[in-house]
Amino acid sequence: EIVLTQSPATLSLSPGDRATLSCRASQSISSYLAWYQQKPGQAPRLLIYDASNRAIGIPARFSGSGSGTDFTLTISSLEPEDFAVYYCQQRDDWPLTFGQGTRLDIK
Amino acid sequence: QVQLVESGGGVVQPGRPLRLSCAASGFIFKNYIMHWVRQVPGKGLEWVAVISYDGSNKYYADSVKGRFTISRDNFDNMLYLQMDSLRAEDTALYYCARTREGEAAASSFQHWGQGTLVTVSS
Repeated sequence: EIVLTQSPATLSLSPGDRATLSCRASQSISSYLAWYQQKPGQAPRLLIYDASNRAIGIPARFSGSGSGTDFTLTISSLEPEDFAVYYCQQRDDWPLTFGQGTRLDIK
Repeated sequence: QVQLVESGGGVVQPGRPLRLSCAASGFIFKNYIMHWVRQVPGKGLEWVAVISYDGSNKYYADSVKGRFTISRDNFDNMLYLQMDSLRAEDTALYYCARTREGEAAASSFQHWGQGTLVTVSS
């Protein structure tokens, strides 16, 4: 099973700051990585697929990069609605797996 | 617009069965591979099962293999998860999820329902 390790566990930033979230895979997953945002009481929302492609309707301040084992989600300038939990997910091999999440808190 | 509405959750005793349903609308259901994903409240996400377009192929997480069965009805646009021999560790919010347009079974999840809560407790 491919293990995804996200860091940091919690990130405390202010609106307008730049956020950089990391996801590391236990083996190469090519570019088969997605990022999700989840707010309390809501289902996850797909932000990025295949490492760097924004999903439909996702603002341009969200970007993804990386390949192989190391991936990054960047939020260029945080808006108040961006404070949430973020998960990465790989689709390179079965079982599909998720990272444990990074909580983005308001500082 | 795409809608996925889960139902069937509740409190069930260990060892008992439960069947979850997911009603799909707003897209051509038979054209999409479908998944179940679960989340222990306050914890992370775990993929559970996937079913092919016509239901002929299914794949499960090891944690549920042999106990859970995924199925679908393409006439009624419904997805199901039959859960047998439930355990306390199956307690979670269960989501049905649709694959992203253009992706096959090993997919990212473009659309999610709001989930149905299953609590396994005596």
